[in-house]
Amino acid sequence: DAGVIQSPRHEVTEMGQEVTLRCKPISGHDYLFWYRQTMMRGLELLIYFNNNVPIDDSGMPEDRFSAKMPNASFSTLKIQPSEPRDSAVYFCASSLDGEQYFGPGTRLTVT
Amino acid sequence: GENVEQHPSTLSVQEGDSAVIKCTYSDSASNYFPWYKQELGKGPQLIIDIRSNVGEKKDQRIAVTLNKTAKHFSLHITETQPEDSAVYFCAASSPPNDYKLSFGAGTTVTVRA
Repeated sequence: DAGVIQSPRHEVTEMGQEVTLRCKPISGHDYLFWYRQTMMRGLELLIYFNNNVPIDDSGMPEDRFSAKMPNASFSTLKIQPSEPRDSAVYFCASSLDGEQYFGPGTRLTVT
Repeated sequence: GENVEQHPSTLSVQEGDSAVIKCTYSDSASNYFPWYKQELGKGPQLIIDIRSNVGEKKDQRIAVTLNKTAKHFSLHITETQPEDSAVYFCAASSPPNDYKLSFGAGTTVTVRA
């Protein structure tokens, strides 16, 4: 299996622009998680899905953040409008039976 | 919610020596304890995990122990090598009731050649 796939790997955008991060989970996994990692706050869970349904979005920082999972093989995390404080590495992870496998991450820089 | 504490925050060892990282958790319902290794510029990699029905698990040079009574678990790396240098995270969750992982703050391990 190719593992969790994320795109783009790097994104540089200007404040106020819309940003869309993409994730393809491992085939057969029924849970998908979005995390954000910064030096100051460490690894934060933003939202997770079970069988394409959002279960807990309490970690989503603001209404500027939204996530969707239209099918079992694709999810997006959107930030609109983006702000400099959104700069971080965003990870997607997928899981079966509790074991979570992370993707390589998207490094987002908002100038 | 679950609170996971991890110590030490940094660890420097001589190549060939052992490294030990310790974590404590607060929620007695937690039953799954994975360990992740994160190298610079990469995502966290699951290296070993343990469930609450066992006390110890080993995979080549790494081992994890769990003490449910004391609510703590540890990662042991023996015969350390330079490629073991990374940030290590412990975590806890309680599947099937809750699949969210609560992470420790991480330990930066440096193996000196």
